[in-house]
Amino acid sequence: AIQMTQSPSSLSVSVGDRVTITCRASQGIRNDLGWYQQKPGKAPKLLIYAASSLQSGVPSRFSGSGSGTYFTLTISSLQPEDFATYYCLQDYNYPETFGQGTKVEIK
Amino acid sequence: QVQLVEAGGGVVQPGRSLRLSCVVSGFTLSSYGMHWVRQAPGKGLEWVAVISYDGSNKYYADSVKGRFSISRDNSKNTVDLQMNLLRPEDTAVYYCARDLWEEGAHPLLFDYWGQGTLITVSS
Repeated sequence: AIQMTQSPSSLSVSVGDRVTITCRASQGIRNDLGWYQQKPGKAPKLLIYAASSLQSGVPSRFSGSGSGTYFTLTISSLQPEDFATYYCLQDYNYPETFGQGTKVEIK
Repeated sequence: QVQLVEAGGGVVQPGRSLRLSCVVSGFTLSSYGMHWVRQAPGKGLEWVAVISYDGSNKYYADSVKGRFSISRDNSKNTVDLQMNLLRPEDTAVYYCARDLWEEGAHPLLFDYWGQGTLITVSS
């Protein structure tokens, strides 16, 4: 199975900060990667698909980039509603695998 | 609007079986592959299984292969997960989720999710 390694596992930031989360795949996965946001007690929400395409309805402060084995999720200016846990997910092959998550907390 | 509602959760003893159902509405189930994803308490997300839109293909995580079985009944708008030989490590919230694309070639990401149902495997 492809391993997805996210970093950092957590970070403390302030409203308005720029945030970057990285995800590395144990082998090349083209651009077959998505990013999800999960808030406590809620189902995850798809933010980015195909590594860099913004899902409908998602604010433009979210962006994704990368291909092959290295990917990033960037939040250009963190808003109060963005404090959550973020996961990457590869859909290159089965089993589909998630990163371990990055918790974005208030500083 | 698109809705997915899971049912069938509860407490079950190790070694026993349980069947989860996901009832969907607001879209044509027969056009979409469907997934189950789980999350152990306080832990990350784990993909569990997928069934293609036409039911011809099914894939499973290694951790559940041979014990869990995914199925669908498009006439009833349901997707089921039959879980046998349950283990304490299967304790989790189980979510069903819909493929991102209609009649898409797998693997695919998923967009809509249910609210989840909690399975606790304990004696």
